[in-house]
Amino acid sequence: DTAVSQTPKYLVTQMGNDKSIKCEQNLGHDTMYWYKQDSKKFLKIMFSYNNKELIINETVPNRFSPKSPDKAHLNLHINSLELGDSAVYFCASSQRSVRTEAFFGQGTRLTVV
Amino acid sequence: AQSVTQLDSQVPVFEEAPVELRCNYSSSVSVYLFWYVQYPNQGLQLLLKYLSGSTLVESINGFEAEFNKSQTSFHLRKPSVHISDTAEYFCAVHSGGYQKVTFGTGTKLQVIP
Repeated sequence: DTAVSQTPKYLVTQMGNDKSIKCEQNLGHDTMYWYKQDSKKFLKIMFSYNNKELIINETVPNRFSPKSPDKAHLNLHINSLELGDSAVYFCASSQRSVRTEAFFGQGTRLTVV
Repeated sequence: AQSVTQLDSQVPVFEEAPVELRCNYSSSVSVYLFWYVQYPNQGLQLLLKYLSGSTLVESINGFEAEFNKSQTSFHLRKPSVHISDTAEYFCAVHSGGYQKVTFGTGTKLQVIP
């Protein structure tokens, strides 16, 4: 029973397209995140939601729009995809406490051609 | 502001040899320190964490890390590595009211048979 699941696992698309990545967690956590991992494995937070409220919004192009219909789901929509958007995107969740770890999904490898 | 430095991007080591992966952090507030491991084509998962108390913390698979406040370090060690330990290791600092998590750039541990 997967704790944090995201779909799709692989996504290949052309420049200019719009795509979405879905994320769901069944851990009962209040906080969810989107991270971007580049080709050098550098991990950068993009967004953080707590109980459907946007908490962290790092410097991310406004082509990226997160949506949280409820606290168990956090989807990521990307408009007008660019080559530089190619990366692995990870969804994660945690309890609302700095003392607890984050639980990560398996990642979505996005390739823009 | 907080930051995490992992000086070694890659660490090759022979099987059954000891290994140390270095992590240094800086923060103006109290922090909680974590090590995550990422196996190939997977998401990150918690390896161990330091919250308070004993400065030496251990994982279930033989890794340990020691919190050194004076040197602002949280190095990860294992006395004898196995092939299955080949992975990317990330040091992370958790602080702030809304679980601000800062990851290091990762260290790739390559265990050589």
